[in-house]
Amino acid sequence: GDSVTQTEGLVTLTEGLPVMLNCTYQTIYSNPFLFWYVQHLNESPRLLLKSFTDNKRTEHQGFHATLHKSSSSFHLQKSSAQLSDSALYYCALRGTNKVVFGTGTRLQVLP
Amino acid sequence: GGIITQTPKFLIGQEGQKLTLKCQQNFNHDTMYWYRQDSGKGLRLIYYSITENDLQKGDLSEGYDASREKKSSFSLTVTSAQKNEMAVFLCASSTNSGNTLYFGEGSRLIVV
Repeated sequence: GDSVTQTEGLVTLTEGLPVMLNCTYQTIYSNPFLFWYVQHLNESPRLLLKSFTDNKRTEHQGFHATLHKSSSSFHLQKSSAQLSDSALYYCALRGTNKVVFGTGTRLQVLP
Repeated sequence: GGIITQTPKFLIGQEGQKLTLKCQQNFNHDTMYWYRQDSGKGLRLIYYSITENDLQKGDLSEGYDASREKKSSFSLTVTSAQKNEMAVFLCASSTNSGNTLYFGEGSRLIVV
């Protein structure tokens, strides 16, 4: 079945440094949607960005990701981390109607 | 805009008890989902429903039942609560063609 892998459980970095959170996926569906959701403390997950198009960069709120079907990847990046970026980040996959999430990566940005 | 309301926010029950969580949405979305959130394990899909009276099992459906009697509501029942099931349960909805999931605030299950 569909699956999403996020290899890092916790990423800690200093404010101002670049962010990269990894996401790879497996699906038999040829046109999956990939998503990044962000969950701040005591809040529910909300959509950060999404993509359907191969090799096209998607950006929102300073974050960006590019869906690469050849490597089944959808890594999340930001050029300069801010303290307010500290949160739990989930990569998710939608093949048909079912949406499957990864285990999440906690990003901790330190001053 | 719309809202997803989960009730109760906290559900306390005894081991072996049957417990039900409810979810209502006013987005008029077709698809609704129940996820379980455990620290370090992410969001795991329990059940989803693509329309009224439809039910589809997720990866974690054993020990749970679900019901979608109306388009706007989706309930989840823990058939026999166990202490290792203490977690946050998140309800979400989306359109069938669209892709963004909108989440409720979550219900925390506590088993004593």
